[in-house]
Order: sequence, then C-alpha cells, then structure tokens
Amino acid sequence: KNQVEQSPQSLIILEGKNCTLQCNYTVSPFSNLRWYKQDTGRGPVSLTIMTFSENTKSNGRYTATLDADTKQSSLHITASQLSDSASYICVVSAGGTYKYIFGTGTRLKVLA
Amino acid sequence: ETGVTQTPRHLVMGMTNKKSLKCEQHLGHNAMYWYKQSAKKPLELMFVYNFKEQTENNSVPSRFSPECPNSSHLFLHLHTLQPEDSALYLCASSQEEGQTYNEQFFGPGTRLTVL
Repeated sequence: KNQVEQSPQSLIILEGKNCTLQCNYTVSPFSNLRWYKQDTGRGPVSLTIMTFSENTKSNGRYTATLDADTKQSSLHITASQLSDSASYICVVSAGGTYKYIFGTGTRLKVLA
Repeated sequence: ETGVTQTPRHLVMGMTNKKSLKCEQHLGHNAMYWYKQSAKKPLELMFVYNFKEQTENNSVPSRFSPECPNSSHLFLHLHTLQPEDSALYLCASSQEEGQTYNEQFFGPGTRLTVL
C-alpha cells in the first residue's frame, strides 16, 4: 500500500535553532517528492521538489534531502524564525498512476 | 497569493442546508482538484477535473456534487451534510493532470462547520 509517514507529529523549538523533519514512504514506483509548508488558515505552498536522481535541494533556509534507496526524505530548517511556525507536509507522487500521496504533516512551532 | 482563490473562507451550515463552495484560478491551468483536510489526517483527494472533464471521483458521497463550468472555475455543491463532514476544503490547480512534477497551487481553503 502506498503510504507516507512523517515524524515527529509536532515539534517546538526556540527561534534561531535548527531542526529536521522526517518523511518515510512506501510509494512504488516513485516519481517525485515534494515538501509543502502550510501556514494556519492557508493552503499548502511548495518548498522543494526532488526526483529520483536528486539527493538534496535547497530553498533559502530550507534544505531537503532524499535517499531513494531507504525511501526517506528530510527537511532541514536552519536558523529558524517565528514565521517558520506552520505545518510541513511531505507529498510523494507515484509513477504510472501519477497520484499524489500525502503525509499527515509535522506541526512546527517556533518560540521567541 | 497563490493565484487560487476560494469563497467563502468560513461556512457554518445545518444538516438540511444547501450551500456551494467556489474556487477560481488565475494561472491558466487545466487541472483542478478538491481536497478535504481533517485534523491529524492526510489530505484526501475528492475530485479531479482535467480540461473541464471529471477524471477522478474518489468514492465521495453523493451529498458532495462538483461542477466545473470551465478550466478556471470549480464549485462544490453541498447538501444534507453530516457533522463529520466538517473540515477544511482545499481547492488546487496544476498545469495538467498526470504531470506530477508540475506544482499544485492551493487556495486558502474553506473552513466548513456542519451543525
């Protein structure tokens, strides 16, 4: 069964600290993996997308990694800011069916 | 702004009411999607339209009725809903269905409460 699991479910960190969010998937065949940021009361916004051949991709203070062998991805946030408080959703696209499989998200809260 | 707008942003309705959610995209996309987002659950795909044709109905109860008059507009007609239908309803668009490398752009959602 195609599934995407994220951990932790929620995370609280102090402003300026780094953090790493995890995404494990069992989607096959794999097409691509995207990380979204969803602010409260808003729709998700794409941060990065990676295909099978990409190991890492950055978008400002956000760096995503992908290990296609172990079917794991991580999103690393550097020098967190209050505006990083949001839910982060990992989405894997299945080849062939071209379906999007969503994780349940990690809720991040950054405290001053 | 993502280029996808949704109205209303909040809706409270009784189980016997009929209401409609509206989505409009200004991105020139050809695919539009309805998703349901409930607390602590992954986004659930409800319907997909590609070039105005419905291509996916993910076993959604008939009390939800979609309509796509053109590639820029998508509606979700609601009637005789249940309290468990309370959720955030998100609309999204992308260039074309099936090309998952292309980003889905989401609207802000409609927060629906069914009493």
